[in-house]
Amino acid sequence: GAVVSQHPSWVICKSGTSVKIECRSLDFQATTMFWYRQFPKQSLMLMATSNEGSKATYEQGVEKDKFLINHASLTLSTLTVTSAHPEDSSFYICSATVAGGANEQFFGPGTRLTVL
Amino acid sequence: RKEVEQDPGPFNVPEGATVAFNCTYSNSASQSFFWYRQDCRKEPKLLMSVYSSGNEDGRFTAQLNRASQYISLLIRDSKLSDSATYLCVFVSSGNTPLVFGKGTRLSVIA
Repeated sequence: GAVVSQHPSWVICKSGTSVKIECRSLDFQATTMFWYRQFPKQSLMLMATSNEGSKATYEQGVEKDKFLINHASLTLSTLTVTSAHPEDSSFYICSATVAGGANEQFFGPGTRLTVL
Repeated sequence: RKEVEQDPGPFNVPEGATVAFNCTYSNSASQSFFWYRQDCRKEPKLLMSVYSSGNEDGRFTAQLNRASQYISLLIRDSKLSDSATYLCVFVSSGNTPLVFGKGTRLSVIA
């Protein structure tokens, strides 16, 4: 089956620093990747839709200058949390759809970010 | 009305019990429906798709009622390993994002 990886799986950083999270489709090409965020006991909330070679589409309330998304190739999308603050601590999950495939999305294992 | 509504639970059931969850959705344009399972601190994993005709996978049965705009999941003969949060999910079309419910938490007790 389609496999999506994320790196790092967890990260702890100081307030004010930037953190980059990578999302890779390992055995398929993903024209579209999605970034979600999940706070404890909450549902996954879509942050942005990332299309290869174009600007990401951000959901309402998500600051594009704070959450920088780059989708430079068909197998890699990155999310950079700039000037992270404790309230950005969350579980960040990416997903990808198979180019030309059905609606099923494949999720990465998630990245747990803790900002001190 | 929220896009997706689920009873958050928790549902605490004994092993061997049958348990059912419902999930209502508000977007009548929704085309595809899924049940995902999420274990604590893990990513969601697809449990099964939901078809209008209803579909079954072992102990799991999913149903879709378009007229009333809800989907359901029935788990028979519950196992301890079924303990998880079950998320109902729908998507409008193609490469549009999934819309997640908040999930229903199930605890199967020995």
